Amino acid sequence: QSALTQPASVSGSPGQSITISCTGTSSDVGGYNYVSWYQQHPGKAPKLMIYDVSNRPSGVSNRFSGSKSGNTASLTISGLQAEDEADYYCSSYTSSSKGVFGTGTKVTVL
Amino acid sequence: EVQLVESGGGLVQPGRSLRLSCAASGFTFDDYAMHWVRQAPGKGLEWVSGISWNSGSIGYADSVKGRFTISRDNAKNSLYLQMNSLRAEDTALYYCAKLWMGSPDAFDIWGQGTMVTVSS
Repeated sequence: QSALTQPASVSGSPGQSITISCTGTSSDVGGYNYVSWYQQHPGKAPKLMIYDVSNRPSGVSNRFSGSKSGNTASLTISGLQAEDEADYYCSSYTSSSKGVFGTGTKVTVL
Repeated sequence: EVQLVESGGGLVQPGRSLRLSCAASGFTFDDYAMHWVRQAPGKGLEWVSGISWNSGSIGYADSVKGRFTISRDNAKNSLYLQMNSLRAEDTALYYCAKLWMGSPDAFDIWGQGTMVTVSS
C-alpha cells in the first residue's frame, strides 16, 4: 500500500485560508468516505482533526474543514492562526483493510 | 481520563526481538479495535498493525508481516506488539492508537509513544 500523496509544505499569513490536498487511488481515498486528518506539533502525538472526510470531533475548531472529490481529499484551515503551525497527515481506509497515511504536510504561518 | 501508555521500547541489536506494551485506561477497552503506528525520526506516520476488539481480525503492513505479531489481553486492558528479526529500518517511535467507534479509519486517542532503536 503506497502512501497517499500530500504537498511537502503549505504556508499562509494569519487570517488567510489554506488547503492541503491528499491524493490516493480508487482503492483508498476514492473508494470510501473514510478519510481522516491529523495535526501533529513537534514532539507531540498526532491529534484527530477530521474523520469520515468532513466530520469534526468534539473540541476541534470549526476553522478546520474537510472535503473530497474523486481520489483527492482536502483539508482547509480558515482564519489561519499561529497555533495551526504543525505537520498534517491524512489517512484513508483501504480495500485491503490495511491502514495508509499521507506523506505529510508542514504548515507554516508566515 | 482516557489514556494510552506505551512501554517496552529501547536499544536493540539487529536480528533481536522486543515486545511493546500499551496500557489503556478511561474507556471500555474491549469495545474498540486498536492499532500500532510508527514514526521514524524526522519522517511521517506509518501504519504498522491493527487488531479488532475480539482479536478476530488482524492486519499488518507489508514491511512487518511475518516479523511482528499484534495481540491484546482485554482482561488486562492491554495491547502488545511482539517484534522479531528487527532491522535498522524499524527504528521509530511506536504509538498505540484507539480506533474511533463507527469509523474504520480514524484514530481518536493516541499514546505518547515508545522509542525503538535498532542498532549494533
